[in-house]
Amino acid sequence: GAVVSQHPSWVICKSGTSVKIECRSLDFQATTMFWYRQFPKQSLMLMATSNEGSKATYEQGVEKDKFLINHASLTLSTLTVTSAHPEDSSFYICSAREASGGRSGANVLTFGAGSRLTVL
Amino acid sequence: QQQVKQSPQSLIVQKGGISIINCAYENTAFDYFPWYQQFPGKGPALLIAIRPDVSEKKEGRFTISFNKSAKQFSLHIMDSQPGDSATYFCAAGDSGGYQKVTFGIGTKLQVIP
Repeated sequence: GAVVSQHPSWVICKSGTSVKIECRSLDFQATTMFWYRQFPKQSLMLMATSNEGSKATYEQGVEKDKFLINHASLTLSTLTVTSAHPEDSSFYICSAREASGGRSGANVLTFGAGSRLTVL
Repeated sequence: QQQVKQSPQSLIVQKGGISIINCAYENTAFDYFPWYQQFPGKGPALLIAIRPDVSEKKEGRFTISFNKSAKQFSLHIMDSQPGDSATYFCAAGDSGGYQKVTFGIGTKLQVIP
């Protein structure tokens, strides 16, 4: 089945630094990828939708200058947390939807394993 | 505004019992209702999904029941096993736009021997 890989799975950084998280679709092309944030014991909150070749669409309340999203190719989207602070510590998860005409249904999302960010 | 309401938030079931998780939605544009299973430290994995043109879908021990008029759907796990212990999320999405999926708050299921 479809596989989405996230890297790194765990990152610790100092306050003020920037951290990049990669989301790759390994065996399919993804025109759309989604980035979520999950706090402990809470649900997944959609942060933004990224589409290959165009600007990401951010959900209300999400700072686009804080969370930079780049969907560079049909298999790669990156989330950069700029000038990270302790309150940015969270579990970040991406999901990808296979391009139309693929094996999966239009609404089948495949999730990555997540990336845990800890900002000291 | 919570578009997908899920209950209960935690559930303890004995091995062999039936686990039932309920969800309700508000947006009538939703036409896709997946359930995800998440283990600690991992991303969610699609468990089973239903569209509103059917009232029930069964895959192995997992069954979704869907009530379009009440805008409710539920997950039943038959013969629950300790390995089913995880957090379950219901979700709802629509076929238009970017096909975003909105998640419920999650239910932490613990199946005890």
